Amino acid sequence: AQKVTQAQTEISVVEKEDVTLDCVYETRDTTYYLFWYKQPPSGELVFLIRRNSFDEQNEISGRYSWNFQKSTSSFNFTITASQVVDSAVYFCALSPSYNTDKLIFGTGTRLQVFP
Amino acid sequence: DTAVSQTPKYLVTQMGNDKSIKCEQNLGHDTMYWYKQDSKKFLKIMFSYNNKELIINETVPNRFSPKSPDKAHLNLHINSLELGDSAVYFCASSPAASRMGRDKGYTFGSGTRLTVV
Repeated sequence: AQKVTQAQTEISVVEKEDVTLDCVYETRDTTYYLFWYKQPPSGELVFLIRRNSFDEQNEISGRYSWNFQKSTSSFNFTITASQVVDSAVYFCALSPSYNTDKLIFGTGTRLQVFP
Repeated sequence: DTAVSQTPKYLVTQMGNDKSIKCEQNLGHDTMYWYKQDSKKFLKIMFSYNNKELIINETVPNRFSPKSPDKAHLNLHINSLELGDSAVYFCASSPAASRMGRDKGYTFGSGTRLTVV
């Protein structure tokens, strides 16, 4: 089965709190890509990160960081010191093999950051 | 310069009508897609085309007919629109998965919100 699970439907935090969005994936292939996208209230899909299945190094980009663990098939996303502008729906997605040109999305996590 | 542009942004139409959504990409990508986002925000692939050839058709009703006149365009025509077709439709493009290299991969258009009344 090829699947992405984002168990958290909605998360609410107060500004400056840290928040982690969970993502668990399933695929039979050993080579695949994982992605995170942000969908703000304006509706567009904003690319955040792409991770190759061979690269398990954690990544940090400003207030954003990603923790990829193949042992648990997880690719979690942490926002440090959240801001109101981080309020959006966040999607984790899987491109299940190098031979498959499609994205399988999770159901998304709605993050609300209150001032 | 808009990388993936789709028109129109909003489309309101009556049941039974036929409508088209256009998509163009200027990234030189090999593959183009249509995704549907339903009212619960769930995103699912509908079609993908690689160099004008249909690669993926994810059990979409045959009232939906994609057309790719060239590598840079993938239009979506919908016949006999139904209430359940109301959704946001996203066009996207990518290089072949095996050739993504340093490219971020998938680029999405800004979406077309279709409302069938």
